[in-house]
Amino acid sequence: QVQVVESGGGLVKPGGSLRLSCAASRFTFSDYCTSWIRQAPGKGLEWLSYISSSGTSMYYGDSVKGRFTISRDNAENSVYLQMNSLSVEDTAVYYCARGVMIAGSPYAFDVWGHGTMVIVSS
Amino acid sequence: DIVMTQSPLSLPVTPGEPASISCRSSQSLLHSNEYNYLDWYLQKPGQSPQLLIYLVSNRASGVPDRFSGSGSGTDFTLNISRVEAEDVGIYYCMQVLQTPFTFGQGTNLEI
Repeated sequence: QVQVVESGGGLVKPGGSLRLSCAASRFTFSDYCTSWIRQAPGKGLEWLSYISSSGTSMYYGDSVKGRFTISRDNAENSVYLQMNSLSVEDTAVYYCARGVMIAGSPYAFDVWGHGTMVIVSS
Repeated sequence: DIVMTQSPLSLPVTPGEPASISCRSSQSLLHSNEYNYLDWYLQKPGQSPQLLIYLVSNRASGVPDRFSGSGSGTDFTLNISRVEAEDVGIYYCMQVLQTPFTFGQGTNLEI
């Protein structure tokens, strides 16, 4: 079935880096934009970043701007999130979500992965 | 940034009874294309969030018709006509009009 699967989470020390991957299957990946959204333990959802279907436009939330970089490889049906300068506040489950679009902008995220856990701790 | 405010944050319900969740945005979510860019998501216990309602009132694929959404501008509502046990979880509204996209705090619906 249509799905996205996140990977790359793990334990990292403060100040360290991690690269998350989101692999898509059973749909035409290049027709959709993608977002990363996270959820800290016991907290609500926080949108982090979005990349257009072509990969030419990227947007970030204030908490990760300048530290995180989103990218995609349509040939590999994958989206990535490079996370640098990690702090304990970045500890969360990170979700990848497929965005459905009108006129090039997303209006909803209709397919979510199961998430990958990132723990930042010394 | 657009701030999304949900109420109530906790909603105890009885199966078979209706339920309603409010979501307010700090600015209008009306796009120039006349759509309001407001969605609802449900996160069931131990699961990933799932899309329930998009563009205020459109049910996502497979969502039962007891769920409905309404509203415009800055005030939006999610209604459940008759709550079932499987509806427990945390409901989030989300605006996708402008980045950074933002979620409400979540409403915990419990039986």
